[in-house]
Amino acid sequence: DAGITQSPRHKVTETGTPVTLRCHQTENHRYMYWYRQDPGHGLRLIHYSYGVKDTDKGEVSDGYSVSRSKTEDFLLTLESATSSQTSVYFCATNRQDNYGYTFGSGTRLTVV
Amino acid sequence: AQSVTQLGSHVSVSEGALVLLRCNYSSSVPPYLFWYVQYPNQGLQLLLKYTSAATLVKGINGFEAEFKKSETSFHLTKPSAHMSDAAEYFCAVSRSSNTGNQFYFGTGTSLTVIP
Repeated sequence: DAGITQSPRHKVTETGTPVTLRCHQTENHRYMYWYRQDPGHGLRLIHYSYGVKDTDKGEVSDGYSVSRSKTEDFLLTLESATSSQTSVYFCATNRQDNYGYTFGSGTRLTVV
Repeated sequence: AQSVTQLGSHVSVSEGALVLLRCNYSSSVPPYLFWYVQYPNQGLQLLLKYTSAATLVKGINGFEAEFKKSETSFHLTKPSAHMSDAAEYFCAVSRSSNTGNQFYFGTGTSLTVIP
C-alpha cells in the first residue's frame, strides 16, 4: 500500500548485531503494529502502538523493542539479532477499532 | 481468549470450480472476523470483514463468507475459481483491549488453481 513504507525491504545481518526496521505511514492512522510471518505460524504480533509513545507487547515480543516518537513512524529494534529472528516482518496500521488493517510490503530479514 | 483455526494449509481447485477455505474461531464474545489475501512477495490485503451486521459478507474479487455462530465458522467461498486467485489466504479475529484492538491470524491456507 502506497500509504505505508517499510525500510529496508531486505537485510542480511550477523548474529548479535542490533537491527532497526522502520515503518512510515502517511495515513495518519492511530494504531500501528509489527508482525512477523513464518511458515506454519501465519502472522504473529510482536508489538503494537495505540498512540505516540504508547506501545504494548504482543505474543512474541521477547528480543524486540519498539518506539513511536511521532504518528508517522513506528520502529522495531532487534536488540541482539539471533537466527530465530530470521523472518519476514510486516508493519500494519489501523484507522480505528475493527476497521481492518492496512499492511506494508514487508521486510525480509536474514540473520546469519 | 480469541483465536482462529484454518483447516487445510493447502487447497487445490480446478479453474472454474468452487473455492472453499475453512476458518473456525473461538471467542468468548461475538467476534469481529476478517479474511485477508496475500500474493507472492506482497503484504496482506483485506478481502472482507464481519462486524455483526449481515451474516453473509461480500468482499472483493467475487469472494464471500458466511458467519455461522452455531458452528463458530467463517468459511470463505467463491463460486468459480480464477487463475488469479492463487495466493495465500488468512483468517483473522480481533481482540479488544483497553489499548485498542489487536488482530490474531490463522496459519494460512495456500490456494492453488489448476488450469
